[in-house]
Amino acid sequence: GAGVSQSPSNKVTEKGKDVELRCDPISGHTALYWYRQSLGQGLEFLIYFQGNSAPDKSGLPSDRFSAERTGGSVSTLTIQRTQQEDSAVYLCASSPAGGGQPQHFGDGTRLSIL
Amino acid sequence: QKEVEQDPGPLSVPEGAIVSLNCTYSNSAFQYFMWYRQYSRKGPELLMYTYSSGNKEDGRFTAQVDKSSKYISLFIRDSQPSDSATYLCAMSSANQAGTALIFGKGTTLSVSS
Repeated sequence: GAGVSQSPSNKVTEKGKDVELRCDPISGHTALYWYRQSLGQGLEFLIYFQGNSAPDKSGLPSDRFSAERTGGSVSTLTIQRTQQEDSAVYLCASSPAGGGQPQHFGDGTRLSIL
Repeated sequence: QKEVEQDPGPLSVPEGAIVSLNCTYSNSAFQYFMWYRQYSRKGPELLMYTYSSGNKEDGRFTAQVDKSSKYISLFIRDSQPSDSATYLCAMSSANQAGTALIFGKGTTLSVSS
């Protein structure tokens, strides 16, 4: 079946603009995760969804970042008033359930803030 | 000290060599251990998934976990140019919903033909 799908694959925008990143998880996967991969920093956890609920938002770096998930499927990560330090690859992963299950990743959205 | 340490390399080997990739960690609560392979401009692809200590083999790949030493390894036998990628170790703690993975920074491997 299809893997995790993310769009857009690349996004270039000006500082101060808002951006929306989309993730379509593997069908039937109830858990969805967002990570950020910055050069030299490795993968950093941002937020987790179980169904449409986000019990753990601890990784969001600032209040400019928000995320939602609808219908237990598609998720959107929104960054408001983008800053240059937001430039990174934003990766989405899904798994059949919560902890202990392997997570499967999409190819990410490469975000560049000019 | 970082929770997970991984030598970034780069590691260059000739085709056919045995490759050893390693991670150390500090959190004794970690129980689930994974190795991901990431090609350039692609997402991480799950290679190996193990629980607690021991060995797991899958084709040319063998994963080892030594919880007493807080040390995990991935061995690649008969390495191929197609194995050239960045290898990320990842781990998580108790089997609770939403447990985030903690990643090493990745080791870049280059296999020359």
